Amino acid sequence: AQSVTQLGSHVSVSEGALVLLRCNYSSSVPPYLFWYVQYPNQGLQLLLKYTSAATLVKGINGFEAEFKKSETSFHLTKPSAHMSDAAEYFCAVRGGNQFYFGTGTSLTVIP
Amino acid sequence: SAVISQKPSRDICQRGTSLTIQCQVDSQVTMMFWYRQQPGQSLTLIATANQGSEATYESGFVIDKFPISRPNLTFSTLTVSNMSPEDSSIYLCSVEIGSTGAYEQYFGPGTRLTVT
Repeated sequence: AQSVTQLGSHVSVSEGALVLLRCNYSSSVPPYLFWYVQYPNQGLQLLLKYTSAATLVKGINGFEAEFKKSETSFHLTKPSAHMSDAAEYFCAVRGGNQFYFGTGTSLTVIP
Repeated sequence: SAVISQKPSRDICQRGTSLTIQCQVDSQVTMMFWYRQQPGQSLTLIATANQGSEATYESGFVIDKFPISRPNLTFSTLTVSNMSPEDSSIYLCSVEIGSTGAYEQYFGPGTRLTVT
């Protein structure tokens, strides 16, 4: 069975600081992993996805994530946080014919 | 990619009534999904709706409470029946596009439902 675990339901960073949002997965097969962002009162937007082509995946808005099989992780990073990055972030894994979402991490950016 | 619209964007309903949410996609897709996102929580899959077949419901969700229609490849509806305050949530429709190794799921903006 596939699942993802997001460590830290709330993360606060200062503007300009490194953003690190953690996601660990559990999968019995090579996983398809995703990060989504949800801005207030909006639906989910795909940030990036891992589909085994490259372990370091670059997404929109300067975000990237690295797939580490040995650590079963797919952490999301951004070198320098911007105020507009404040949102809810969801890690997801595709298994069978559906997606399984983590519980989400709320990112606050402090000016 | 896919552009998805939902109607209504939000509604306030009285308990015991029903609300039908519409989901429209700008391209033909095989698989459509309905999710519920309760306040401050993650997404929970309600059902998968494929055109031409009955919707497949996840554990804890039943057709009598959440009937779904999928009349064609670009449209689906979810009805929340006999509503109670516990049904207050954001309801999201999504579609999956791609093939093995290249799936992506796209989401509508959601319908924010408040039941009083």
